[in-house]
Amino acid sequence: SQTIHQWPATLVQPVGSPLSLECTVEGTSNPNLYWYRQAAGRGLQLLFYSVGIGQISSEVPQNLSASRPQDRQFILSSKKLLLSDSGFYLCAWSPRYTIYFGEGSWLTVV
Amino acid sequence: ELKVEQNPLFLSMQEGKNYTIYCNYSTTSDRLYWYRQDPGKSLESLFVLLSNGAVKQEGRLMASLDTKARLSTLHITAAVHDLSATYFCAVDEDNTDKLIFGTGTRLQVFP
Repeated sequence: SQTIHQWPATLVQPVGSPLSLECTVEGTSNPNLYWYRQAAGRGLQLLFYSVGIGQISSEVPQNLSASRPQDRQFILSSKKLLLSDSGFYLCAWSPRYTIYFGEGSWLTVV
Repeated sequence: ELKVEQNPLFLSMQEGKNYTIYCNYSTTSDRLYWYRQDPGKSLESLFVLLSNGAVKQEGRLMASLDTKARLSTLHITAAVHDLSATYFCAVDEDNTDKLIFGTGTRLQVFP
């Protein structure tokens, strides 16, 4: 069966520090991968979308970036965090016609 | 730009009662998803609706899709406390597996 792992689960980072969130999917090949963000008490916003290694689509202008160095690995990064980057970050994958989410990463920028 | 609206945003209902959550979207799409989110948790997939007139049921929840009206409903029958959560609908933009989410409906079921 397919599983998705996301880490770290929680982190507190100072403004201006770098960020790296990682996501891996097991049990499938060439999945579509996504990064979503949920601000406190809000809906989900699609940040990045990838259909394959090195293929990244950015949906919202921001100081975040994403990379897909391997088929089942998706990384969300920032060189310098802003207070507004705080939120719940969710990695997701799609085997077609549905999307499954990881456990999420809570980021607090202080 | 695709927009997805849910109503109500908050719903407080008594156990045993019925209610419906509505999801409207602004452009044509024949794929709609319903998710559940418990506080502090990730999203759990409830239903995937892939065609006009699709209806799916699981326990006390039933979802339907009318692509002509650009409307999906999530009907709750005889609510129980365990259904308390936030429910999101999401629409597949251009059938690309990129989901645009509604604002969510926070449901609270009380005795």
